[in-house]
Amino acid sequence: QKEVEQNSGPLSVPEGAIASLNCTYSDRGSQSFFWYRQYSGKSPELIMSIYSNGDKEDGRFTAQLNKASQYVSLLIRDSQPSDSATYLCAVLLSGTYKYIFGTGTRLKVLA
Amino acid sequence: NAGVTQTPKFQVLKTGQSMTLQCAQDMNHNSMYWYRQDPGMGLRLIYYSASEGTTDKGEVPNGYNVSRLNKREFSLRLESAAPSQTSVYFCASSPGTGGANYGYTFGSGTRLTVV
Repeated sequence: QKEVEQNSGPLSVPEGAIASLNCTYSDRGSQSFFWYRQYSGKSPELIMSIYSNGDKEDGRFTAQLNKASQYVSLLIRDSQPSDSATYLCAVLLSGTYKYIFGTGTRLKVLA
Repeated sequence: NAGVTQTPKFQVLKTGQSMTLQCAQDMNHNSMYWYRQDPGMGLRLIYYSASEGTTDKGEVPNGYNVSRLNKREFSLRLESAAPSQTSVYFCASSPGTGGANYGYTFGSGTRLTVV
């Protein structure tokens, strides 16, 4: 079992819709979770972090964490074509300094 | 404010050649990391340095060595390049000492091809 799993996609949504991206992780002791956006040919860019169960909102982005079920999700409201990118989920493994990444979900927002 | 600077941006090596990828950050971050990114494999941790003076292996350390030269600089060396090391390499830094709850700032990457 991979430590961090994401559906590779592509996930296609129409402009203005809500995009929902999901991530599951295997380390039950993990406490810190991150979402990165990566445009093609560019480096990843941190967009959200979440540490507590529940929702965390930042503009059009909402991160959701459920530690009991070991999943993290990212919602993008009012999706724009400029949101088309690969979204990477990252987890800080408990008791280590290691951040482990999922393979990413490619999002395509259709104009 | 440069953030994390990686050099070179592109490199082609012949099998068996050696080279060093350079990384420097100007954010006074404690932790620095080297990742490689391959299609379908995601970002995989090669080595990391939780703080100045320490280095540790990640998921895929074989064929690589690192040096944390000072707080700013963290280099990655390929002693004898192999085609399997063809990849995009990213350096990243984080404010906290290792396990603190911070995300990364990434460099722009080095695209390495080994022929």
